[in-house]
This record gives sequence, C-alpha cells and structure tokens, in this order.
Amino acid sequence: TQLLEQSPQFLSIQEGENLTVYCNSSSVFSSLQWYRQEPGEGPVLLVTVVTGGEVKKLKRLTFQFGDARKDSSLHITAAQPGDTGLYLCAGDGQAGTALIFGKGTTLSVSS
Amino acid sequence: DAGITQSPRYKITETGRQVTLMCHQTWSHSYMFWYRQDLGHGLRLIYYSAAADITDKGEVPDGYVVSRSKTENFPLTLESATRSQTSVYFCASSDSPGTYEQYFGPGTRLTVT
Repeated sequence: TQLLEQSPQFLSIQEGENLTVYCNSSSVFSSLQWYRQEPGEGPVLLVTVVTGGEVKKLKRLTFQFGDARKDSSLHITAAQPGDTGLYLCAGDGQAGTALIFGKGTTLSVSS
Repeated sequence: DAGITQSPRYKITETGRQVTLMCHQTWSHSYMFWYRQDLGHGLRLIYYSAAADITDKGEVPDGYVVSRSKTENFPLTLESATRSQTSVYFCASSDSPGTYEQYFGPGTRLTVT
C-alpha cells in the first residue's frame, strides 16, 4: 500500500519566519503534487513535480522532489498570514488510479 | 458558471436516511472523484469514474453508491446514513487520473444525527 507521510502535522509561526514541510514515502512516485486548502474550500493545486531532484519555485515557495522520487519538501521563505492553510501532498497511485493524499500540514502564520 | 459545483453545501440528516450529494463540472473532464475529509485521516477516496458509465471503488467505498450517466454529473448516494459518515465530502475532476491537476469543488459538510 502506498502511503504519504507529512510532517509536521501542525506548524504555528510568526510572520517573516521560514519553514519547511516534508512529504515522505517508502514508495516511488512518478510525480508528486502539492495542494493548499483554505477553510471552507476545496484544495487548490500549487505545483506538480515529475523529475527526481527537480526544484520548482512559486514566488516565496520552493518545492523539491527527492532524487529517488520517494519524498518531497515545501519551503516557504518569509511566511505571511496569507500563507495560512492546510498543505497537502499527493502522489499518483498505482496503475494510474486516483491520487493518494498525505494527511496534510496545517500552517498558521500570525502577524 | 464554469467550474465544479457541489450541492448542497451543508446537510443534516438522520441515521438510516438516504441522502444524495450532487457534483457537476463544466469542463467535460473524463475523470471525476469523490473524497471524504476527516480529522486525522486526510482526504480518502470513496469512488472514482473514468468516463460516463464507468465507476470504480476507492479506499473507503462501503455504504456509498455512485452513478455517472452523464459526463458532467457524478452524484454520491449514502443509502442508509450512519454517524460514521459525518464528514466533509469533496468532488473533484481531472483530465487524467494521475499526473494532471485535480480540480476540487467547495465541499459538502454532512452531519448524520
């Protein structure tokens, strides 16, 4: 069974701090996605990484896919209150079935 | 409006009642999905559909029924609701099941009393 474990589960920081969220698995994924979910809404895709070692940047967010394609990280520089939300990683399931989601990291950034 | 919509947004029902959650998308995406989101469990796949009249079970299908007679609609029915089915339900659609982006609806918060 493919599983994605995210850490930490909760993160509460001050505006301006840096943080890293991790997504780990013992399975190899051909791609990983990161979503952000705000309260009362559905998840929204931030990025998809498909190549081992790939690094993608989205403004203050940096996403990395591990060389072995078993893990990924999300680094936020100078966090802002608008970054508050639930961050979910998701990998493609076996045999091309639906995505497998991690349980998420809840981020709270206070001003 | 274009996009993916769910109705109702909130529903309270009693144990044993049948309830149907609706999902409609305007992109003509082939794939549609139903997830439930619970604290401590994250998003879990209930059922998915690769095309009209093609559906398959996900991780937690027991107690749920789906149908897809039209590409744009993917209703989820709880045949006899139980308290353990209290959850937030999300519908999603995609051009492809794996790598491509999944577009999520706003969710339905269901409470079974």
